[in-house]
Amino acid sequence: GESVGLHLPTLSVQEGDNSIINCAYSNSASDYFIWYKQESGKGPQFIIDIRSNMDKRQGQRVTVLLNKTVKHLSLQIAATQPGDSAVYFCAENIIGSGGSNYKLTFGKGTLLTVNP
Amino acid sequence: DVKVTQSSRYLVKRTGEKVFLECVQDMDHENMFWYRQDPGLGLRLIYFSYDVKMKEKGDIPEGYSVSREKKERFSLILESASTNQTSMYLCASSSGQSNEKLFFGSGTQLSVL
Repeated sequence: GESVGLHLPTLSVQEGDNSIINCAYSNSASDYFIWYKQESGKGPQFIIDIRSNMDKRQGQRVTVLLNKTVKHLSLQIAATQPGDSAVYFCAENIIGSGGSNYKLTFGKGTLLTVNP
Repeated sequence: DVKVTQSSRYLVKRTGEKVFLECVQDMDHENMFWYRQDPGLGLRLIYFSYDVKMKEKGDIPEGYSVSREKKERFSLILESASTNQTSMYLCASSSGQSNEKLFFGSGTQLSVL
């Protein structure tokens, strides 16, 4: 989920388990959603994206689920590994909102810790 | 692969100094962005540019300015650094009007003493 105050939501899992990270987005007009992974000391890296005409998209070990009815997005990581430990951000956008109408909005992130 | 390069990984400056943060991207992207990232506040957009010599204010432009003289380069300027500008600064770029995924640099951790 999204952070409140100064503390990130945290998720702690055992190596090999599946992880689910949740995100509630705010704009019902958003039609494009992205998940980023940020490791300590690095910039965010793109993981996977999904458009609003889909409710599920799979990548390598990751799946994104989109529920537009309740404005909820989740990232599922299969067989979580220690290298998956990072902060995960969701972001929402309106496709075509380019130029001066740029509207990408980030969530505040969830810290995933994978225990060996 | 897209590469977004920020010139400094760590910077330490004194209050009142003029600070330049440089960012270069190598994928001919039209759009470039500067964010700052603070604990508990996530990524906040400072300024962005969708074309050479064009700039738009983001959510927190106060105390900052930018320059985009060439397509590949976007500079963030702190005219007179203050301690509340101590932060991680992230540059990003994206292509065209679709404004889909952003590609980020590794960040510059700025400390203003």
